[in-house]
Amino acid sequence: QQQVKQSPQSLIVQKGGISIINCAYENTAFDYFPWYQQFPGKGPALLIAIRPDVSEKKEGRFTISFNKSAKQFSLHIMDSQPGDSATYFCAAERGAQKLVFGQGTRLTINP
Amino acid sequence: NAGVTQTPKFQVLKTGQSMTLQCAQDMNHEYMSWYRQDPGMGLRLIHYSVGAGITDQGEVPNGYNVSRSTTEDFPLRLLSAAPSQTSVYFCASRNGQGVGKLFFGSGTQLSVL
Repeated sequence: QQQVKQSPQSLIVQKGGISIINCAYENTAFDYFPWYQQFPGKGPALLIAIRPDVSEKKEGRFTISFNKSAKQFSLHIMDSQPGDSATYFCAAERGAQKLVFGQGTRLTINP
Repeated sequence: NAGVTQTPKFQVLKTGQSMTLQCAQDMNHEYMSWYRQDPGMGLRLIHYSVGAGITDQGEVPNGYNVSRSTTEDFPLRLLSAAPSQTSVYFCASRNGQGVGKLFFGSGTQLSVL
């Protein structure tokens, strides 16, 4: 079964808007939660990551919000730009062994 | 540095054929892994290695073999290809010191007819 569940599968946002992608997990032993960004024809690339001891991490226009009690975390993209159009994957890992990914969200930013 | 290099970029196989997907990294990373990417399924871990001579299974290991004789190389072998193995395969590596950024190759698109 999918250890990390991601939603929505696809998302369309107007330029300048806020894009929000959500993920949920079951295994409370996970201790690392990254987000990866993938452009067509390329491999995924790390965008931002968080540990469960903090509730929020911000890097530029990208923010991860983490809710440990609900076992959920989300990616917020502020002031979304057409160049942000890509597929986004959340992921989770325990003990630097097996990084498991969500199903992915195809984000389209309309100009 | 070239990073993570995967070959070939595209491959078409017939059912029952065998082949090896190559992966090499020049960053002296201890950890290497193979994922397959399918629509609606995300990236699923096939096999991984935490160092030369050490390999372990991921989420979907059946039908695939790996070995790690050197730090640089981590080939993925399909013993008898099946249509269900049609996918995009990604190799990734990172420094073995704890969790951190995975560096991905550009992928191999495999079709099994």
